[in-house]
Amino acid sequence: KQEVTQIPAALSVPEGENLVLNCSFTDSAIYNLQWFRQDPGKGLTSLLLIQSSQREQTSGRLNASLDKSSGRSTLYIAASQPGDSATYLCAEVGDSWGKLQFGAGTQVVVTP
Amino acid sequence: GAGVSQTPSNKVTEKGKYVELRCDPISGHTALYWYRQSLGQGPEFLIYFQGTGAADDSGLPNDRFFAVRPEGSVSTLKIQRTERGDSAVYLCASSLGGQKTTTDTQYFGPGTRLTVL
Repeated sequence: KQEVTQIPAALSVPEGENLVLNCSFTDSAIYNLQWFRQDPGKGLTSLLLIQSSQREQTSGRLNASLDKSSGRSTLYIAASQPGDSATYLCAEVGDSWGKLQFGAGTQVVVTP
Repeated sequence: GAGVSQTPSNKVTEKGKYVELRCDPISGHTALYWYRQSLGQGPEFLIYFQGTGAADDSGLPNDRFFAVRPEGSVSTLKIQRTERGDSAVYLCASSLGGQKTTTDTQYFGPGTRLTVL
């Protein structure tokens, strides 16, 4: 069974600091990897999708990298704001098409 | 445009009862997915529809769980003889689907919180 691991499980930073969230996966045949944000009691919002042929994707203050050889993806959030407080999940799609395999998430708190 | 919607938002039931959870996908999305999320965990895949047919139901935990999508749009997840362990948030997602493509983003609904007493 393919596994996705996110470390750390929780993170607290002061406003303005850069955030670095890590995701590791065992599936060497991924099609893509997605990063999601989840606010308490809410569904998931897709932030970035990195295709297997890409090394990174950027959207505003967010940048996600993908290294298939090492089985790692990193989400960088620049100049964090209190509104960035949420749980961030990564998920990969592999050979079992359509099935997102999620990590347990990293809970982020940005303090003013 | 409208996103994925799920009803009800909350469902409380008693052990042994039958429940139905509904999902309305984004218009035009041919693929629909059901996931289950327990507290402190990431969502866990249950079933994936391509059109009206279940393309992958390998995540359904047992035969008490069943899902349908008769017209290729709305889907219903059905749980028979509910158990306390079924308590979780049930999430639905949809995507454009079709051919395997590395850019097929899944869009999630707000979920249905199921509590089995």
